Amino acid sequence: GENVEQHPSTLSVQEGDSAVIKCTYSDSASNYFPWYKQELGKRPQLIIDIRSNVGEKKDQRIAVTLNKTAKHFSLHITETQPEDSAVYFCAVPDTGRRALTFGSGTRLQVQP
Amino acid sequence: DGGITQSPKYLFRKEGQNVTLSCEQNLNHDAMYWYRQDPGQGLRLIYYSQIVNDFQKGDIAEGYSVSREKKESFPLTVTSAQKNPTAFYLCASTSGEETQYFGPGTRLLVL
Repeated sequence: GENVEQHPSTLSVQEGDSAVIKCTYSDSASNYFPWYKQELGKRPQLIIDIRSNVGEKKDQRIAVTLNKTAKHFSLHITETQPEDSAVYFCAVPDTGRRALTFGSGTRLQVQP
Repeated sequence: DGGITQSPKYLFRKEGQNVTLSCEQNLNHDAMYWYRQDPGQGLRLIYYSQIVNDFQKGDIAEGYSVSREKKESFPLTVTSAQKNPTAFYLCASTSGEETQYFGPGTRLLVL
């Protein structure tokens, strides 16, 4: 099955700084890479995703970059705000099972 | 997200008791999934179903059972064989384009 590693496990930044979270995966056939945000006690919410035919995708202050050769993708959050504080998960499709395999999560804390 | 509902929001289980968590979706999605999330941890796949009347075990299926008699419903039963059931249970569905949408979750606690 798919193996996904996510780093760092915790990240603390000052308000206004940028945050970067990275995931590596094992199955080179993977072609879809979503990122989810989970606030305390809530469900994970899809915030951005990218498919393998592009290298970067932006949506306002968030962006995802993909390096298929190195098998890693990253979430970039610019101009961080306190409401960005949450746990972020990357995921990769397990093509054999048609299910997502999730990273272990990154707890982002934005200090005001 | 709005088209997936889970009930109850909180569930208390006594020792030796089977309990069933409900998951319903009105998104006409073919595939449905159950995940378990322990405090401060990631999501682990319990069971999944790609079509009606068919389902497969995920990574941590022991002590759980499911059914998929209707496209819109995928209930999860936590049996007495699951010795450590306290967790946050999340149901998800997808239309086949790989994007998964989650229900609001059920928090299961043991009395």
